[in-house]
Amino acid sequence: DTGVSQDPRHKITKRGQNVTFRCDPISEHNRLYWYRQTLGQGPEFLTYFQNEAQLEKSRLLSDRFSAERPKGSFSTLEIQRTEQGDSAMYLCASSSGTGGRSTEAFFGQGTRLTVV
Amino acid sequence: AQKITQTQPGMFVQEKEAVTLDCTYDTSDQSYGLFWYKQPSSGEMIFLIYQGSYDEQNATEGRYSLNFQKARKSANLVISASQLGDSAMYFCAMRDNQAGTALIFGKGTTLSVSS
Repeated sequence: DTGVSQDPRHKITKRGQNVTFRCDPISEHNRLYWYRQTLGQGPEFLTYFQNEAQLEKSRLLSDRFSAERPKGSFSTLEIQRTEQGDSAMYLCASSSGTGGRSTEAFFGQGTRLTVV
Repeated sequence: AQKITQTQPGMFVQEKEAVTLDCTYDTSDQSYGLFWYKQPSSGEMIFLIYQGSYDEQNATEGRYSLNFQKARKSANLVISASQLGDSAMYFCAMRDNQAGTALIFGKGTTLSVSS
């Protein structure tokens, strides 16, 4: 297991199209997070899963965004009817443990979305 | 609400010198964790160091140390003996210690190391 992997690394789509990203976390991690990062900013939290349950969603996650984590393994993030404002890096992270240092999040390399 | 502030958009340092990246935070929680991540141009966020709010000693990880001043709510990252490979974006982040809560990041500082 080499860490968190995300696919695709880059995606260019036309406005109005739907896109789906995949994240494969570190296998023993039960917590999975999605973040969005725009140019010159730090990552912003989108949503969080513990196993297959989606426990937390940011107000940034509009109705056009949906995330799933079937069977508590990989996760997908879908954006419907993409807008130019959706252009960003989408980062996935996973972690284990219940507190302290063990809450360290391991990040994937991200999917860079460009909406034209 | 929790908040992280990084006031240095960019920092420049010569190889082998030490550099301090500033981070202040705001929280009403008593129990929280502070993290520093490095993001090279490839995009991946790389964990560097962690400090718990109840840790009495400042955290150290190799060339990285965290200057934790709880009363001032600051958690500055010190990189000793800078290397060219240290050139990257550096993010300070915080999470309260309730399980599952997401990290809150600052805007980051770009570090450039020259030879």
